[in-house]
Amino acid sequence: EVQLVQSGAEVKKPGESLRISCKGSGFSFTSDWIAWVRHMPGKGLEYMGIIYPGDSDTRYSPSFQGQVAISADKSISTAYLQWSSLKASDTAMYYCARGGIQGVVADSWGQGTLVIVSS
Amino acid sequence: EIVMTQSPATLSVSPGERATLSCRASQSVSSNLAWYQQKPGQAPRLLIYGASTRATGIPARFSGSGSGTEFTLTISSLQSEDFAVYYCQQYNNWWTFGQGTKVEIK
Repeated sequence: EVQLVQSGAEVKKPGESLRISCKGSGFSFTSDWIAWVRHMPGKGLEYMGIIYPGDSDTRYSPSFQGQVAISADKSISTAYLQWSSLKASDTAMYYCARGGIQGVVADSWGQGTLVIVSS
Repeated sequence: EIVMTQSPATLSVSPGERATLSCRASQSVSSNLAWYQQKPGQAPRLLIYGASTRATGIPARFSGSGSGTEFTLTISSLQSEDFAVYYCQQYNNWWTFGQGTKVEIK
């Protein structure tokens, strides 16, 4: 069974750094793209960026370029989303998703990681 | 960046009725279009990809059509479990999501 299991909820202060994770199982982690999607309260889904763990090829949405960093450790089948300095506006639910169909269609999603940034 | 525009923002439908949701792309995405359903507190679920192919386990009452820049998701007879937010997504040039259509009980 394909599974993406994300790390738990985080409560941080503005200016702090954070890395959240997404561990894949039940599929070849190095053969599918893994994307990150933001869902702010009361808003729609926003594509942040995508990584191919096989060679760490990473692409960012223009809206998120320079704001976050996406990485992966294929040895432990885990992808990461990282912030160096959080803002209150980063408060959201973050999902990882696997491009399991045609390499890019998101057929499997993680359960989401809630990030709350508040002073 | 390809912009995806969904309409309407909210659709009020009675159970058993048909729902028709629209999605427009700012430039051609060929048939590289997916639809997702999201319920409160849950991750999105893939319904349709390739504009018209149902994902595994998706009931036949869900159907997708279109190509190029104009797409439609039709739910033929709404069930109680279908009231949710629906997103279209292009994957012709990486990803872009539409802003969503909320299907609510009339």
